[in-house]
Amino acid sequence: NAGVTQTPKFQVLKTGQSMTLQCAQDMNHNSMYWYRQDPGMGLRLIYYSASEGTTDKGEVPNGYNVSRLNKREFSLRLESAAPSQTSVYFCASTQVRTQETQYFGPGTRLLVL
Amino acid sequence: GNSVTQMEGPVTLSEEAFLTINCTYTATGYPSLFWYVQYPGEGLQLLLKATKADDKGSNKGFEATYRKETTSFHLEKGSVQVSDSAVYFCALRSGTGGFKTIFGAGTRLFVKA
Repeated sequence: NAGVTQTPKFQVLKTGQSMTLQCAQDMNHNSMYWYRQDPGMGLRLIYYSASEGTTDKGEVPNGYNVSRLNKREFSLRLESAAPSQTSVYFCASTQVRTQETQYFGPGTRLLVL
Repeated sequence: GNSVTQMEGPVTLSEEAFLTINCTYTATGYPSLFWYVQYPGEGLQLLLKATKADDKGSNKGFEATYRKETTSFHLEKGSVQVSDSAVYFCALRSGTGGFKTIFGAGTRLFVKA
């Protein structure tokens, strides 16, 4: 079991460029989440998918879109990157939306110049 | 809304010292409380949790007691090791919060040999 995997590990973008962050889990979990981690602010929820075929906004969704491609995969897209999106992005999953413990991927460090 | 406040870091200790990281919360209803740990270059992983008042969560020598009267969930360890150097996040999860996990800002711990 690889758990939750994320690609890429690190990315540098110029302002205005687009990119997609990939996340996959092999634990047969129904719910998946995208967070960003900024110094002094902890983790903030960007989007989540309670189950395959559904997505909902979290605390900081502006500038992002998501796709729940299938049960395993949940991608995060930046259509036009801005320096304010420089952050570390974490994907997480839970068996169901009501399950308490989240399982995290190793993160993607994104720098927008 | 629900929120978590934890002590600012970094916290620097010598090996075998006693550790306390303070965490207080604001929440409606009866949240579950968590401590997650993030080792360098890795994603978050669950350290311990407590689901109701007066419960004590424990793991790897770490403990935290759910205190409803003081709305606190302080993390303690009697004797830290160099390998405990990491960032520690306090978090809560509540049904009244839509089952979203709210994280504190994180506290970085350095343990010197």
